[in-house]
Amino acid sequence: QVELQESGPGLVKPSETLSLICSVSGYSISSGYYWGWIRQPPGKGLEWIGDIYQSGNTNYNPSLGSRVTMSVDTSKNQFSLKLTSMTAADTAVYFCARRVRGQRGEYKFSANDYWGQGTPVTVAS
Amino acid sequence: DIQLTQSPSSLSASVGDRVTITCRTSQSIGTYLNWYQQKPGKAPKLLICGTSILQSGVPSRFSGSGSGTDFTLIISSLQPEDFATYYCQQSYNSLPLTFGGGTKVEI
Repeated sequence: QVELQESGPGLVKPSETLSLICSVSGYSISSGYYWGWIRQPPGKGLEWIGDIYQSGNTNYNPSLGSRVTMSVDTSKNQFSLKLTSMTAADTAVYFCARRVRGQRGEYKFSANDYWGQGTPVTVAS
Repeated sequence: DIQLTQSPSSLSASVGDRVTITCRTSQSIGTYLNWYQQKPGKAPKLLICGTSILQSGVPSRFSGSGSGTDFTLIISSLQPEDFATYYCQQSYNSLPLTFGGGTKVEI
């Protein structure tokens, strides 16, 4: 069974950098697929932050510009998120998730099939 | 970015009802449309990917259809455990991946 678990600080000061780690068990990151982050502000919908392939190839949401950096550590079976210049607007629950791609018959898909439980992050002084 | 418009944003229904949720995209995405269920305080759960591929373990009362820009999630007979918020997500080749605004299904 694939399991993901986020870890990191629950409170970040404005202008500081958020660092989160997602630990994966039940599947080796180096075997493939994309590993990413999605966030949800309190009472609001879901926002895709980006993801990273096991090779290190990254995809980021342009709305976050150069604030986002993701990396993967296959030796620890972990991947991480760094988000700089945090503001109150970045207050959210941050989820890590696996994204798989494939095709079944005529239907092509790319979807987040396994998620961590989420970690709340508050930006406040 | 590809915009997703879900409707309705909320609905009230009873156990046994047939529920239909729609998701319209701002441009054609082929079959790259997924549906998630989220309960309060929990992570989203993938129900359907690729427009109509039911995930393992998801009850057959859930079904998805559509193509291009118009997609539908149907719950054929609503059960107590189905009261939740449902999100569509497009995962077409054009990044970023985006989600619809959600549909809250209430009693």
